[in-house]
Amino acid sequence: DGGITQSPKYLFRKEGQNVTLSCEQNLNHDAMYWYRQDPGQGLRLIYYSQIVNDFQKGDIAEGYSVSREKKESFPLTVTSAQKNPTAFYLCASSLQPTDTQYFGPGTRLTVL
Amino acid sequence: QQQVKQSPQSLIVQKGGISIINCAYENTAFDYFPWYQQFPGKGPALLIAIRPDVSEKKEGRFTISFNKSAKQFSLHIMDSQPGDSATYFCAASKNRDQTGANNLFFGTGTRLTVIP
Repeated sequence: DGGITQSPKYLFRKEGQNVTLSCEQNLNHDAMYWYRQDPGQGLRLIYYSQIVNDFQKGDIAEGYSVSREKKESFPLTVTSAQKNPTAFYLCASSLQPTDTQYFGPGTRLTVL
Repeated sequence: QQQVKQSPQSLIVQKGGISIINCAYENTAFDYFPWYQQFPGKGPALLIAIRPDVSEKKEGRFTISFNKSAKQFSLHIMDSQPGDSATYFCAASKNRDQTGANNLFFGTGTRLTVIP
């Protein structure tokens, strides 16, 4: 069963704590992306990776970090430096960087 | 600065009616325009996409109309059904920028409600 999986579906954290969101794909896609979705603002790009061991900042990278040690995995860490981390986080992937992006089911992060 | 402007923010349509969602952009380098459909608590799913070499693309009840000179494109949902109730996002991208990435710029979304 191919696709993009994100875990956990819901995540709660206390202020000041770092938290890591998982994104895995078994589609053999080269490129992977992280977006943040807030009500009324659409999706905004946090980080993207075109290939293993490479990643680039998107429009709102401050307070976030990523790694791409394996082709199928692109975890996102929300650090304590992110001022307003409560949001719906979406991971996406595409076969090549210029191809259509397909999205995972998302992780809803709530900071208490 | 919103690269892609989408309207309306919300839309209510009777079952069987036509739903129309509009998007506009400024960057003439954009050459790929997808529409995504998102149900509550789920990730967006690609619905239909168009490139600027054609003015219209139809897939089933869904049609994209593209006006290159006006820098506008729209989604038309014919014979709208209650199951179409979702949030719809338009997006735009350049096929390849300096880094070679297909960075998508999204509209702010339209919440469609189809009344039975």
